[in-house]
Amino acid sequence: KQEVTQIPAALSVPEGENLVLNCSFTDSAIYNLQWFRQDPGKGLTSLLLIQSSQREQTSGRLNASLDKSSGRSTLYIAASQPGDSATYLCAVTGYSGGGADGLTFGKGTHLIIQP
Amino acid sequence: DADVTQTPRNRITKTGKRIMLECSQTKGHDRMYWYRQDPGLGLRLIYYSFDVKDINKGEISDGYSVSRQAQAKFSLSLESAIPNQTALYFCATSDFTREQGYTFGSGTRLTVV
Repeated sequence: KQEVTQIPAALSVPEGENLVLNCSFTDSAIYNLQWFRQDPGKGLTSLLLIQSSQREQTSGRLNASLDKSSGRSTLYIAASQPGDSATYLCAVTGYSGGGADGLTFGKGTHLIIQP
Repeated sequence: DADVTQTPRNRITKTGKRIMLECSQTKGHDRMYWYRQDPGLGLRLIYYSFDVKDINKGEISDGYSVSRQAQAKFSLSLESAIPNQTALYFCATSDFTREQGYTFGSGTRLTVV
């Protein structure tokens, strides 16, 4: 069974700092990996999607990397802003057949950017 | 309009009542999913559907049922709600290949009293 772990569970940093959120998964046979952002009590907004054949994806101040063989992904946030405060979720998609389809989520990193 | 729309946004219901949560999508995706989110437990898959004739149980399907009325509509029912079904419920969609990733609705906050 796939398990996804996110470290740290919570992080508080001053505005302007660069930061890295970590995600690890136990089964490297993934189809793709997706990073989401969730504001309190709200829905999930997709930030970046990395296919299993890719090494990284970038969107603005965000960069996500994927090392499938070691079961790791990182989300790098440059020049953090108070508006980046949210919970960040990592999720991997397994191959269908023989079990439940869909995403396996980590429990998230709760990020606070201090003004 | 949102790509994935969930109704209602919030609902308070009494123990034992039947309740239906609805989801509709304009993405044209074949695959639809229902998840629930609980503090400390993260998101867990309840049911998923690959097309209108295909329904599959997820990790925590007990106490729930679903109906795929059309490609664009996927509803979740609680036949007899109980307090431990209080949670935030999300509908999601993906294309058949899943190359486009998953798109989530804004969620339904359900409270069973």
